[in-house]
Formats: sequence, C-alpha cells, structure tokens
Amino acid sequence: DVKVTQSSRYLVKRTGEKVFLECVQDMDHENMFWYRQDPGLGLRLIYFSYDVKMKEKGDIPEGYSVSREKKERFSLILESASTNQTSMYLCASSNPGGDEKLFFGSGTQLSVL
Amino acid sequence: GQNIDQPTEMTATEGAIVQINCTYQTSGFNGLFWYQQHAGEAPTFLSYNVLDGLEEKGRFSSFLSRSKGYSYLLLKELQMKDSASYLCAVSGGGATNKLIFGTGTLLAVQP
Repeated sequence: DVKVTQSSRYLVKRTGEKVFLECVQDMDHENMFWYRQDPGLGLRLIYFSYDVKMKEKGDIPEGYSVSREKKERFSLILESASTNQTSMYLCASSNPGGDEKLFFGSGTQLSVL
Repeated sequence: GQNIDQPTEMTATEGAIVQINCTYQTSGFNGLFWYQQHAGEAPTFLSYNVLDGLEEKGRFSSFLSRSKGYSYLLLKELQMKDSASYLCAVSGGGATNKLIFGTGTLLAVQP
C-alpha cells in the first residue's frame, strides 16, 4: 500500500513564526499536493508539484511556499504564520496517467495562536 | 467558474440504502472521484467514473452523467462504520489536471 507520511499530527505555533510541514511518500509518485481543509469550505489546493524542483500554485497559495528537492519529499512552508492559517493540512500524492487517484497523508492540525 | 455541489448532511438507518448526489460545473472534465473521510482521518479513495453509467464495487456504487453534470454515490446495506464524510471531486482536465473538491456530505448512520 502507498504510504504518505506527514511529520506531525498536531502543531501549535505563534503568529509570525516560520512553520515547516513535511510530507514523504514511499511509492515513487511523481505528483504531490498540499491541501488545507476547513469546515464548510472543503479541501482547497495550496500548491502542487509534478516533478523534483518543480512547483505550481494552486487556488490559495498566498502566505505559503513549497519545496521539492527530492522526489519523495514535499514541504509546505508558512513564512510568517497568521491566525487565519489555523487549519487541517493534508498532503497527497499520485501518479500521472490512468485514474490519478490521490493518496492522502493523515493530516496535520495546525493551530496558530 | 468551477462549482461542485453536494448536500451538507444526511441521515440514514442501519441496513438501509442511501444516495448522495453531486452536481458539478467545471471548465474541463477528465473524471469524477468519490472519497470517504472518517472524522479526524485522511480521505480514502472509493470510486472513479470517467464514462456515463453505473460502476458497482461491493456495497458501494457510483453513477455519472456527463451531459447533466451529475453523479451519485449509492451505499447499500448501511453499517454504522459508514458514518463519515463523502467527498465528491472532479478532475478538471487540461495541462494540470487538478482535482476540485466539493465541501463534502456528512452521513450519519443511526441504529
């Protein structure tokens, strides 16, 4: 089975801190994604990557950046955390072609105080 | 614009059948996904429809009508463990082929 691992299940940070969310997948998938999930808003795409060192903005990239130095690892960076970035963050991976179904990590619940 | 609509909440009885509807308006279409998400857990893949018609997989079936921009997920012989959120998502096509998610339907199965 595909395993997508997010480094932290719960994080509490202060406003203005730099925050790193790490995601690692073990199935050699080319595509990796970062979503945030908020009640009543569903999953919204922040950034995605189709290859090493490649990144593309999703629907809500403001206040975030990403890094993909290795194929298996995709990092989400909050340069200066704000309270409106309190959310559940979900990482996912997939392979192109076919159904391209997403495999999700178990999520990181981030609270910014 | 891009829009995916599904009911916010539904309630059903153990052993019964429930149908969760999803309508979509997207600029492109490659396929439609259904995911299941239990509280506090990651979404897991249930089904994928590309062509019109019904796809059956055990107790779960998914239907697609591309001309109507409509899909449903049918759950039979409901069990308590089916209580979860069900997410409809459209693969929008184009160069990026990103998934666009609905807000999810929270299904409560009662004894």
